[in-house]
Amino acid sequence: NAGVMQNPRHLVRRRGQEARLRCSPMKGHSHVYWYRQLPEEGLKFMVYLQKENIIDESGMPKERFSAEFPKEGPSILRIQQVVRGDSAAYFCASYGGLSAEAFFGQGTRLTVV
Amino acid sequence: GESVGLHLPTLSVQEGDNSIINCAYSNSASDYFIWYKQESGKGPQFIIDIRSNMDKRQGQRVTVLLNKTVKHLSLQIAATQPGDSAVYFCAEKQSGSARQLTFGSGTQLTVLP
Repeated sequence: NAGVMQNPRHLVRRRGQEARLRCSPMKGHSHVYWYRQLPEEGLKFMVYLQKENIIDESGMPKERFSAEFPKEGPSILRIQQVVRGDSAAYFCASYGGLSAEAFFGQGTRLTVV
Repeated sequence: GESVGLHLPTLSVQEGDNSIINCAYSNSASDYFIWYKQESGKGPQFIIDIRSNMDKRQGQRVTVLLNKTVKHLSLQIAATQPGDSAVYFCAEKQSGSARQLTFGSGTQLTVLP
């Protein structure tokens, strides 16, 4: 049973470019959370999605950031016109909804140069 | 209110000693709590969970204690080993609600030889 898969593991973007981060949840899971982590800090909630629905995006900046979880395929976190402050590790977690336990991927480390 | 993750507190213990990591949570409506371990460069890994109808739960070498009166959670690790060195986070959630899993500030555990 494959775990939560995130890709790419490392992503380097120049200021102003777009970053696309992908998350494939565990098989059978239809709920995905995205979190952001700065070095030596905790995980800060960004957005919570179910298939084809955004449930809670209260932690995601209104500008430049968007997220989707289509009926088919992975969840995508998109950051447009990246700035240096977007450099961080981005983690997604999935869970099945019946159990409250969330399983995390290995993260995507975004570096904006 | 939300727990805020800031700069990490640290705990150093001798190999073989017991470790106790503490966490204060903020939402009195939370009824499900999880401890995660995060090693450098990796995603958070589930360790143990506890529901609010319990005060204590034991796993292999780990015990979680929950004090709802003061909204405090602790993780006890018996006979700490070098492989236990990591950052430990507690997380809280209201089961059955769409609210996100909220993380507390982590603790960096260092096991000394």
